[in-house]
Amino acid sequence: GAVVSQHPSRVICKSGTSVKIECRSLDFQATTMFWYRQFPKQSLMLMATSNEGSKATYEQGVEKDKFLINHASLTLSTLTVTSAHPEDSSFYICSARGVNRGSEAFFGQGTRLTVV
Amino acid sequence: DQQVKQNSPSLSVQEGRISILNCDYTNSMFDYFLWYKKYPAEGPTFLISISSIKDKNEDGRFTVFLNKSAKHLSLHIVPSQPGDSAVYFCAASAGGAGSYQLTFGKGTKLSVIP
Repeated sequence: GAVVSQHPSRVICKSGTSVKIECRSLDFQATTMFWYRQFPKQSLMLMATSNEGSKATYEQGVEKDKFLINHASLTLSTLTVTSAHPEDSSFYICSARGVNRGSEAFFGQGTRLTVV
Repeated sequence: DQQVKQNSPSLSVQEGRISILNCDYTNSMFDYFLWYKKYPAEGPTFLISISSIKDKNEDGRFTVFLNKSAKHLSLHIVPSQPGDSAVYFCAASAGGAGSYQLTFGKGTKLSVIP
């Protein structure tokens, strides 16, 4: 299957700092990327949808100024958690689908963010 | 309001037996359903999908059944293997294969006992 690489896999940061998470599609062009967040023992919650070259569409309740998404190319989307707080600690996962990849969405490995 | 529900948080099955994971949904606009397998600290891995125009899709040991009238789908794994032990997420999408905003259930943790 297609490969989506997410980096870093784990990050610890101080409260008030910003963290950038990268999501790359390695062997296909991802016209659409999705960012999810998972809390312990809960389902994956869609945060936002980003299309290459345009602004991301955020789900209700997700602060767009806090979770900055940039999808500058067909192979890279980034999520920046700005002014992180302990309550932002979570597992963040991206997924990508391409024009010619059928209907499957491929997921990155996820990033465990801990804000101390 | 959870639109995709997996009411069993966990399931234990003996190796070689059948595992049946259930999923219910409430949104009648959903027309594409997927099952993902997830290990701790990793992203979900796609297993199998089904379109709402079908009632069954089979891929090796995995079969997904869809009952549209009951808004229910199930994943059957047979025979179950210890390597199948993971959390299984049911996901649904509206707008066909072109839309890929997935709504996930909370997952069911499957333990296959050797």
